[in-house]
Amino acid sequence: AQRVTQPEKLLSVFKGAPVELKCNYSYSGSPELFWYVQYSRQRLQLLLRHISRESIKGFTADLNKGETSFHLKKPFAQEEDSAMYYCARPFSGGYNKLIFGAGTRLAVHP
Amino acid sequence: NAGVTQTPKFRVLKTGQSMTLLCAQDMNHEYMYWYRQDPGMGLRLIHYSVGEGTTAKGEVPDGYNVSRLKKQNFLLGLESAAPSQTSVYFCASSYEEGPKPQHFGDGTRLSIL
Repeated sequence: AQRVTQPEKLLSVFKGAPVELKCNYSYSGSPELFWYVQYSRQRLQLLLRHISRESIKGFTADLNKGETSFHLKKPFAQEEDSAMYYCARPFSGGYNKLIFGAGTRLAVHP
Repeated sequence: NAGVTQTPKFRVLKTGQSMTLLCAQDMNHEYMYWYRQDPGMGLRLIHYSVGEGTTAKGEVPDGYNVSRLKKQNFLLGLESAAPSQTSVYFCASSYEEGPKPQHFGDGTRLSIL
């Protein structure tokens, strides 16, 4: 079965500390992977995608096919990074349908 | 530019009642989706549509029906609401060339008593 696993429900760090939100996916060729973020009282929005290889708001994510992981990293967390983060990948069969992980809540304390 | 708009934002129903959630997008997207968000389970796909007049089942379709009579609108119906359908419902849309990111609405918080 296709799965996206985010093992941590909550990640609590202090401002300025490094952050790593874990995401593992079930193997299926070369998947497209996404990180979505939901800030308090805002809609879910795309943070970054694997294929773009970009850094958004200081976050990066590297696809590791050997470990089937797509962990989200930021070297120095800011309070405004506090949010719910979801890792996602498309279902097989197309149509851009997404499978989401359970999500990790990141809390950055002053 | 509103993007994806969901109505209503909140609703409380009694068991057995019916209701329809409306999703409208103004980005001319071909694909539209309905998800439910439950604590500890992330978002799960209920139904989706790949174009006007088409619908298909997702991961958790039971108890829901959908319709896409116009390209910009995607309706989610609960014929006989059950407490297990208490959730936050999200609509999303995307372009058809994939894989493409999805654009989400603000969500509808639905409580069924």
